[in-house]
Amino acid sequence: QKEVEQNSGPLSVPEGAIASLNCTYSDRGSQSFFWYRQYSGKSPELIMFIYSNGDKEDGRFTAQLNKASQYVSLLIRDSQPSDSATYLCAVSKNGNNDMRFGAGTRLTVKP
Amino acid sequence: DTEVTQTPKHLVMGMTNKKSLKCEQHMGHRAMYWYKQKAKKPPELMFVYSYEKLSINESVPSRFSPECPNSSLLNLHLHALQPEDSALYLCASGSMGGAETQYFGPGTRLLVL
Repeated sequence: QKEVEQNSGPLSVPEGAIASLNCTYSDRGSQSFFWYRQYSGKSPELIMFIYSNGDKEDGRFTAQLNKASQYVSLLIRDSQPSDSATYLCAVSKNGNNDMRFGAGTRLTVKP
Repeated sequence: DTEVTQTPKHLVMGMTNKKSLKCEQHMGHRAMYWYKQKAKKPPELMFVYSYEKLSINESVPSRFSPECPNSSLLNLHLHALQPEDSALYLCASGSMGGAETQYFGPGTRLLVL
């Protein structure tokens, strides 16, 4: 079982729709959860992080965490073509400095 | 400012060459990281430095040698690499304690011939 699992996609949504990206993790000791966006040929860019169960909203992005189900998701509202990228879920244990990445989900937003 | 800089942006080297990758951050972060990323794959952790000391080495071959001269700088020395080592090498930095958030540099794209 992989430590961090994501559906590789590709996920295709029309412009203006909600894109839903999902991630599960195996280590119940995980405490910190991150979403990175990576455009082709570029480095990962931090979008959001979440530590507590529930929802965290930042502009068009909402991260959702359910530690009991070992599940974290990212919702992108009013999707734009510029959101087309690979989204990486990352998980770490506090103080361990060992962030583990999922394989990434490739999102395409069609105009 | 969440900038991490890396040099060079691109590097081509032969299997007998010795080269170094450089990374710098001025955010006061005390943790710095090296990752390797192959095409269409996620970043793979190689090394972690915490307070300028090597804290994690993910069983990386000795042809990769990290160095942390001070809290702002991180180097990766390369020697006798193989073609399969060709990849994007990413440096990141983050704060210590609690939940760390890592910020990535633009990366060095390495080609080994």
